[in-house]
Amino acid sequence: KQEVTQIPAALSVPEGENLVLNCSFTDSAIYNLQWFRQDPGKGLTSLLLIQSSQREQTSGRLNASLDKSSGRSTLYIAASQPGDSATYLCAVRAAGNKLTFGGGTRVLVKP
Amino acid sequence: DADVTQTPRNRITKTGKRIMLECSQTKGHDRMYWYRQDPGLGLRLIYYSFDVKDINKGEISDGYSVSRQAQAKFSLSLESAIPNQTALYFCATSDPTSGGEQFFGPGTRLTVL
Repeated sequence: KQEVTQIPAALSVPEGENLVLNCSFTDSAIYNLQWFRQDPGKGLTSLLLIQSSQREQTSGRLNASLDKSSGRSTLYIAASQPGDSATYLCAVRAAGNKLTFGGGTRVLVKP
Repeated sequence: DADVTQTPRNRITKTGKRIMLECSQTKGHDRMYWYRQDPGLGLRLIYYSFDVKDINKGEISDGYSVSRQAQAKFSLSLESAIPNQTALYFCATSDPTSGGEQFFGPGTRLTVL
């Protein structure tokens, strides 16, 4: 059974610092990995999708890497801003077309 | 903008009542999903549908049923609501021909008293 873990559960950084969020998964037989952002009480916004054949994806200040063999993905957010404060979730899609989610990392960027 | 919408956004109901949560999408995606989110348990898949004639159980389907009325509409029903079904419910869609990225609706906050 696929398990997805995100450590730390919470992170607080001063504005301007780079953010590094970690995601690990137990079964490397995945189709893709997706990073989401969730604001309190709101829906999930898709940030980046990395296919299993890819090593990284970039969008603006966001960069996500994928190492399937070690079961890890990292989301980097450059030059963090208070508006980046949210919970970040990673999810992997494996056989059966089911997304398995991690528990999320709650990020606070202090002005 | 192509979007995923959910109604109602908030619902308070009593134990034993039947309720329906609705999801509509204008993305033109064939695949639709229902998830619930609980503090400490994350998001879990309830049901999913790959087209109008396809319905599949997820990991926590007991106590729920779904209906795929059209490509754009996917409804979740609780036949007899119970308090431990209090949660945030999300609908999502995806298109396998464009990588399988899933797009989520804004959620329905359901409280069962």
